[in-house]
Formats: sequence, C-alpha cells, structure tokens
Amino acid sequence: AAGVIQSPRHLIKEKRETATLKCYPIPRHDTVYWYQQGPGQDPQFLISFYEKMQSDKGSIPDRFSAQQFSDYHSELNMSSLELGDSALYFCASSLGTRNTEAFFGQGTRLTVV
Amino acid sequence: DQQVKQNSPSLSVQEGRISILNCDYTNSMFDYFLWYKKYPAEGPTFLISISSIKDKNEDGRFTVFLNKSAKHLSLHIVPSQPGDSAVYFCAARSHTGNQFYFGTGTSLTVIP
Repeated sequence: AAGVIQSPRHLIKEKRETATLKCYPIPRHDTVYWYQQGPGQDPQFLISFYEKMQSDKGSIPDRFSAQQFSDYHSELNMSSLELGDSALYFCASSLGTRNTEAFFGQGTRLTVV
Repeated sequence: DQQVKQNSPSLSVQEGRISILNCDYTNSMFDYFLWYKKYPAEGPTFLISISSIKDKNEDGRFTVFLNKSAKHLSLHIVPSQPGDSAVYFCAARSHTGNQFYFGTGTSLTVIP
C-alpha cells in the first residue's frame, strides 16, 4: 500500500539559507500534518491542513510557512535557517480530522551548518 | 505544557512476557488516542488506536486500555518479541483543533 512520501530524505543547508520540504500524502487523504523532532525529544506539532486550508497551528516559527496544494501534497518552506532548526521533520496524513489515525512518512533530516 | 505524559523513559521485558506501557494525559477534551512505534531516524508507525467511547481495543498481540476517569491509557503487548524493541509514543487528539499531541516516549527492549 502507498505510504506518505517525503522528500528529500536528507538535506544539508547553511545558516540563513532557505529549505523546502515536500510531503505527498497517502492517496485520498485530505489532511496533512507537519511535525519537528529534535534529538531525544517527542515530535512537536508545527501545522496542519485540511482540504487545502490551514486547520491548526502549533509551534511553527514565523520564518516557516507551509501550504497544501490542490493535489493535497504539502510543502514546508523554511527561511533564514538557524542551527537550532536541525531536526527530523515528519509529515503525516489522514482521511478527515475526526477519530482517525495519522500515518507518518519517513521524515526529512535537516542539518543546518 | 506536556499534555500527554509517559513517565517511564525505558522498559525491559523478557521475550514471551507481557509488556505494559503507560500513558497519562491532562486534557479532558481528548477523545481519540493512539500508540505509535518508532525506530531511530524513521517515521512513527501507527499501531493501534482507541476512541474515548471505548475502554478497550485489541488487535492481535496489542491491546490498548483506556481509563477516562483516571485520564490514563496503557498498551499491552503479549507475547513480547525482540522485534518489538523500539520507542513507543502515546498520542492524543481532541475534537477541537487538528493535531496530535505526543508523549515523550518509552523505549522498550525485549530481551531474547
């Protein structure tokens, strides 16, 4: 069965550069979530989209923005990167927003040097 | 403010025995709970979920119990297998907002 696809899997950027992470949800899933996980930490919620509209917002820095496109894929844009942005970024998708499981992608490891 | 807590950072269990992982939450608005299994540098893998209208859900070797009055849930794995060794995250969501709140994780080691 198709899973959530994230690209790239690994990304190395320098401070103050920009990065774009992409997420392709499971077919027919209309909801996408973005999470950030630092070393030894639990996943921290950044933002979610349902039917291409932002549906919830967590601890996403103002330097980051995201959107969900008409084909339901999502992109997380990160600007003015800082060393502290180095983390694993996970995308998850679900069908709807109530009483439903979210399935996660393999993540993008971002390293800012 | 950690709304979902897993107070045991690690747990070791002998192969074939039962593993019990615990999770507590503080937000009474949570109405759906999930357990995920995670290996290093990989995304969380969904294991099992339970709605707040139930107190038990079973899927093969995995059973989740929910005690709403105590705001507590647990995951039972029986029998435990070495391949179960991973970090287990408890997660919860409410009918308001659209996000999953994760616990801090419990690292399970199943000893052959």
